[in-house]
Formats: sequence, structure tokens, C-alpha cells
Amino acid sequence: EVQLLESGGGSIQPGGSLRLSCAASGFTFSDWTMTWVRQAPGKGLEWVSAISSSGAATFYADSVKGRFTISRDNSKDTLYLQMNSLRADDTAVYFCAKDNWSSEFDYWGQGNLVTVSS
Amino acid sequence: QSVLTQPAAVSGSLGQSITISCTGTSRDVGNYNQVSWYQQLPGKAPQLIIYEVTKRPSGVSSRFSASKSGNTASLTISGLQAEDEVNYYCCSPAGLNTWVFGGGTKVTVL
Repeated sequence: EVQLLESGGGSIQPGGSLRLSCAASGFTFSDWTMTWVRQAPGKGLEWVSAISSSGAATFYADSVKGRFTISRDNSKDTLYLQMNSLRADDTAVYFCAKDNWSSEFDYWGQGNLVTVSS
Repeated sequence: QSVLTQPAAVSGSLGQSITISCTGTSRDVGNYNQVSWYQQLPGKAPQLIIYEVTKRPSGVSSRFSASKSGNTASLTISGLQAEDEVNYYCCSPAGLNTWVFGGGTKVTVL
């Protein structure tokens, strides 16, 4: 059974940093591109970042470029999102998701709330 | 990276069919046959219900179907049931290895 378990969320003041983790199991993690998607309270889904299977290529939404860094450790089957210079509008539930062959997101984590507030 | 346009809400009676539109541009929906749709129950993670414009993953009800014409993709739910009363999101690649979601549609079953 595929499982994606996120951790690392919480409350942080504006300008602070947090690192989210997503531990994967039930599939060959190193074979697949992985993605972060977020959802602000009461709002829709927003694609945030993606990383290739090897970790060599990374991609970001304009809204987080230069502040967030996606990475992965294939030896630990874990995906990360380092979030720096956090702003109030980064407040959201952050989901990790596994990409499939045609760029759809076929498995999702349970979500992890990040609250940026003074 | 703009948001794909979906109606905020769509309603239909039990047993009827409804269609949710998802309008993008020639840079996203119109340029890729990789539109996907997700169903999201309150407080839960999204679940994939359609991929590659028209395909259903194993286990997804055949009451869900989808299509695309030009820059607009559509999701149809036939035989509307009470359990369908949740939120739906479309998604498309948007070039340069980025993706864009629709704003979401709340389905109400009358």
C-alpha cells in the first residue's frame, strides 16, 4: 500500500523558516517525480514545487521561487520542502504527492498545516 | 501561473447529470492531453478521479467521465448521488515543468 506521511508543519512567525518532510512507502520512491501542493484555508489547490526522480531537476511556482527549496533523499525514501522567508500568505495545508506517468498526482499525503502569523 | 477557471458551484438533482468546466489557455489545457481531475472531501487529501483527459483510475466509478475541447476540459458526473457533494479540481501542465489547478467547484446535490 502506498503511503505518504508528512511531518514538520506548525506555527511560525513571518520571516521564519520551516522544513516539511514526506516519508514514502509502498512504492519505489527513487523511480518517481514528487510534488508539493498547498491549500490555503478555504481556498483551492496550488501547485508549489516538483523534483525529478533523481533530484537533479527542481521546479517552482513563481510564488515560492527563491524562498522554498525542494529536495529528496532516495536512500531514506523521503521528500523535503525547506521554506524560508515565510509570509502570511504561505499559510496553508501542504500536501506531498507522487507523480505518475502522465503527470497526474496519483497518491497524496494527508496534509500538514503551516501557519505563518505574528 | 494563472489558475484555471472553474465555476465556483454546480448543482443537480439526485440521479441527474452535471458537467463542470475547466477553462485554460493554449499554454496549458489547450497544449496538453494531460488534464487530470481530483475529488476532495472536506478535511481530506484530494483523490485522482480522471487522468490523461478521459481515463479513470482503477476503482473510480464509471459515473465520472471527462473530455476536452480546445482550451476547455469538462468533467461529467452522471447519476448524481449524495456522496458526490464535495469539491472538484482540474489540473493541467502549464509548460516549463509547472502545473496549474482550477479554482475548484463545489457540487451540490438537490
